[in-house]
Amino acid sequence: AQKVTQAQTEISVVEKEDVTLDCVYETRDTTYYLFWYKQPPSGELVFLIRRNSFDEQNEISGRYSWNFQKSTSSFNFTITASQVVDSAVYFCGGGADGLTFGKGTHLIIQP
Amino acid sequence: SAVISQKPSRDICQRGTSLTIQCQVDSQVTMMFWYRQQPGQSLTLIATANQGSEATYESGFVIDKFPISRPNLTFSTLTVSNMSPEDSSIYLCSVFVGTTYGYTFGSGTRLTVV
Repeated sequence: AQKVTQAQTEISVVEKEDVTLDCVYETRDTTYYLFWYKQPPSGELVFLIRRNSFDEQNEISGRYSWNFQKSTSSFNFTITASQVVDSAVYFCGGGADGLTFGKGTHLIIQP
Repeated sequence: SAVISQKPSRDICQRGTSLTIQCQVDSQVTMMFWYRQQPGQSLTLIATANQGSEATYESGFVIDKFPISRPNLTFSTLTVSNMSPEDSSIYLCSVFVGTTYGYTFGSGTRLTVV
C-alpha cells in the first residue's frame, strides 16, 4: 500500500513570492511514479509533472521546479515568482497502476 | 495526449436509484481508472477497468455498489447503485497516456443525491 502525505493544508502568499509545496510518498515498491496535478476552481485536473522512482534529477519548467529525494521519500514542488493564476489545489500522487493522492494543498496567491 | 469525454457532467438523483456514468477515450488504452472526489476532499481510486476481464476494486469499494463495464479499449461505464446522500461526489475516469502527459482525467461527473 502507498501513502502520500501533503502536510500543508493551505498556504497563502503574496504575488511574486516563491512557494514550495511538500509531498512525502511512502511505499514498499521499488519502482513507482510520482505526479503533481493542479486543480483550479473550475475543477479540472491539470497534469504538471511525472517522475520515475529511479530518476532523482531535479527538473525545472519555467516558473515550476521539482525536487525528488528518494532517501527522504520527498517530492517537493516550487513555484517561483508566484502569480494569482497559480491559485488552486495542488495534489501529489504516486503509484504504478492508478494513483494514490495526498489530501492536497490549497494555494492562495494574493495580489 | 488522449481526450476523454465523460457523461453526464452533472446529475441530481433520488436516493435509492442508480446512475451510470460513461467514459469515452479517443484512443485505445489498456487500463481505465475510476476515481471519486468527495466534496472538499482528495481523489480516491475506486477501481481499475481492463478490457476483457473483471474490474479490480480498491479497499472499501465493492462491485455490487460500483459495477463497471469495459466492453472495448475506448469505453467504460461506472454505475453508482442504490444511491444515498453519502454518494454525492465528483466521479472521474482516467487513462495513462504515456511518460509525457502521465494520467489524463475526464472532466468529471458531479453527482448530487437527494
